Amino acid sequence: QVQLVQSGTEVKTPGSSVKVSCKASGVVFSSFSFSWVRQAPGQGLEWMGGVMPIFGTTKYAQKFQGRVTISADKSTTTTYMELSSLRSEDTAVYYCARDPNYYISGIFDDWGQGTLVTVSS
Amino acid sequence: EIVLTQSPGTLSLSPGERATLSCRASQSVSRGYLAWYQQKPGQAPRLLISAAFNRATGVPDRFSGSGSGTDFTLTISRLQPEDFAVYHCQQYDISPWTFGQGTKVEIK
Repeated sequence: QVQLVQSGTEVKTPGSSVKVSCKASGVVFSSFSFSWVRQAPGQGLEWMGGVMPIFGTTKYAQKFQGRVTISADKSTTTTYMELSSLRSEDTAVYYCARDPNYYISGIFDDWGQGTLVTVSS
Repeated sequence: EIVLTQSPGTLSLSPGERATLSCRASQSVSRGYLAWYQQKPGQAPRLLISAAFNRATGVPDRFSGSGSGTDFTLTISRLQPEDFAVYHCQQYDISPWTFGQGTKVEIK
């Protein structure tokens, strides 16, 4: 059974950075890719980017290019999302999601529980 | 990027009724790479349908997807109490993958 367990709630100040983790279990980690999707309060879902652990290759939405870094550690079967230069509009629940393909195909079979990131001065 | 517009924003129905949700794309989702997710309050989304009409593992057959090109539909044949939730469509044809704004199915 696939489980994606994310790190806990974060409160950050504008201009700082946040790094959220997502540990996968019950899967052969390198056989899949992982993406990060966020959801601002009362809003829809927004794909930020993804990583292919087998090669370490990443793909980002242009909106977040230069501000987000997604990585994967095969030794701990954990994926990370770091977002820098935080602003109030980045307040959202951040989800990691498993793609059933080793490449970033954009379909999400399994999701983490979500991590609330609040950006406030 | 492909913009997805879902309608209606809210659907008020009674258990046992049929729900029809629409998702319209700003350009053709040419490979039919359109998914539907269900999201309940405080929970992560759950994949229901991929490739426009393929039910995910464990999804009841009262859920069905249809459509092609720019117009897609999710139908719930007979609403059960556990089906009242928000439904999101998503295209994964052209990056960046994008989602609609969601349709809330609420109890009338």
